[in-house]
Amino acid sequence: KQEVTQIPAALSVPEGENLVLNCSFTDSAIYNLQWFRQDPGKGLTSLLLIQSSQREQTSGRLNASLDKSSGRSTLYIAASQPGDSATYLCAVRSMGGKLIFGQGTELSVKP
Amino acid sequence: DAGVTQSPTHLIKTRGQQVTLRCSPKSGHDTVSWYQQALGQGPQFIFQYYEEEERQRGNFPDRFSGHQFPNYSSELNVNALLLGDSALYLCASSFSDREAFFGQGTRLTVV
Repeated sequence: KQEVTQIPAALSVPEGENLVLNCSFTDSAIYNLQWFRQDPGKGLTSLLLIQSSQREQTSGRLNASLDKSSGRSTLYIAASQPGDSATYLCAVRSMGGKLIFGQGTELSVKP
Repeated sequence: DAGVTQSPTHLIKTRGQQVTLRCSPKSGHDTVSWYQQALGQGPQFIFQYYEEEERQRGNFPDRFSGHQFPNYSSELNVNALLLGDSALYLCASSFSDREAFFGQGTRLTVV
C-alpha cells in the first residue's frame, strides 16, 4: 500500500531564504508525482508535475526533483517571499489510478 | 478556459440529509476524481470516473456515490449525512492520468 510522507509538517523562514520541502513514498511503481500549493480554505493549485521517467522539473523559482529508486522528491523554493506562504502538498499517482497525498508542509515566510 | 468549477462553494446540511455536489472539468479533460479533505489533512481519494463509469474507488462507504455525464461533468452524492462527513470536497480533472487540476472545493458542514 502506497504511503506518502512530508517532512517537515511546518516551516517558518525569513523572506529571501532558499528552502527545501521533502516528500517520500513507499512504492516506487509510480506514474507521476505532482506538487501542489493550497491556500487556507481553498482548492489546490498545481505547481509542478514530474513524470516517472524524469529527474526534475523547473518553473520560475521552483524546482522539483524525483528519485524513484529511493522513493523521494524534493521541492526547492528559491528566494522565498511572503506570498509563498501556504501549505504545500505532494501526491503520487500509480498507473490508471488515484492520487495519494502526503499531509502537507505548512510554510510561513516572514517579511 | 474556466478551469475546474465546483458548486456550491459552501453548504450546511443536517445529519441524515442527502447532498449533491457538482463539478465541471477543465476543457479537454475526460477523467474526474473526487477527494475529501478534513482540516489539517491531505486529500483522501473517494472515486474516479472515466467514460461515465467508476474506474476506481477509495475506502469510502456506499453512502458516497457518483455519476459522470456525457459532457464529462460529474456529481458526488452523499446519503444519510454524518457529522464526520464535514470536510472540504475537492474535484480534480485530467486527461487520462496526466496532470491533475483541482477546483476551489465545496465546504460541507453537517450539523
